[in-house]
Amino acid sequence: DTGVSQNPRHKITKRGQNVTFRCDPISEHNRLYWYRQTLGQGPEFLTYFQNEAQLEKSRLLSDRFSAERPKGSFSTLEIQRTEQGDSAMYLCASQGQVLNTGELFFGEGSRLTVL
Amino acid sequence: AQSVTQLDSQVPVFEEAPVELRCNYSSSVSVYLFWYVQYPNQGLQLLLKYLSGSTLVKGINGFEAEFNKSQTSFHLRKPSVHISDTAEYFCAVSYTGGFKTIFGAGTRLFVKA
Repeated sequence: DTGVSQNPRHKITKRGQNVTFRCDPISEHNRLYWYRQTLGQGPEFLTYFQNEAQLEKSRLLSDRFSAERPKGSFSTLEIQRTEQGDSAMYLCASQGQVLNTGELFFGEGSRLTVL
Repeated sequence: AQSVTQLDSQVPVFEEAPVELRCNYSSSVSVYLFWYVQYPNQGLQLLLKYLSGSTLVKGINGFEAEFNKSQTSFHLRKPSVHISDTAEYFCAVSYTGGFKTIFGAGTRLFVKA
């Protein structure tokens, strides 16, 4: 296993379209996180899963955003009716539970551009 | 609630000079503290972490950080920087247990020849 994988790496879409990002975490990691990063800012927490359960969602996450992790392995993040303000880098990170030290392992991100 | 403040948005420094990137956090409970680095066009990777014990922690690439509980700070230092250290550095905090890590806005370190 080479790490956290995200795809697509880049997505350009028109306003109002739906987009979906996929994250494949490190296989033995049971926690999975989604963050959003805009230019000049640090990663902003969106949501996280422990196995298939979504345990927390940021209040900043509008109802146009939905995330799933159906079998406790890969996860998808869907944005419906995209807006220009959704343009950002969407980061996925995974985290192990055994001897958990809090370290997050990040993918390279999926960059969304909404025209 | 947790928050992280990185006091400098950009730090330009000459090669082989020392550098300190400042980070302050606020939390009413015990926390884990981290520094992550993001090189251009790459994902974030862990530089170092403080969980407990010795307040001086050493990380990769010659970086170190000191946890100061009374000042709620976790400043990152390197005695001599290289051009290759040019990157964005993020300070982060999570509750003990490692859930929901909160990041600062980042400090862009620019090392000049």
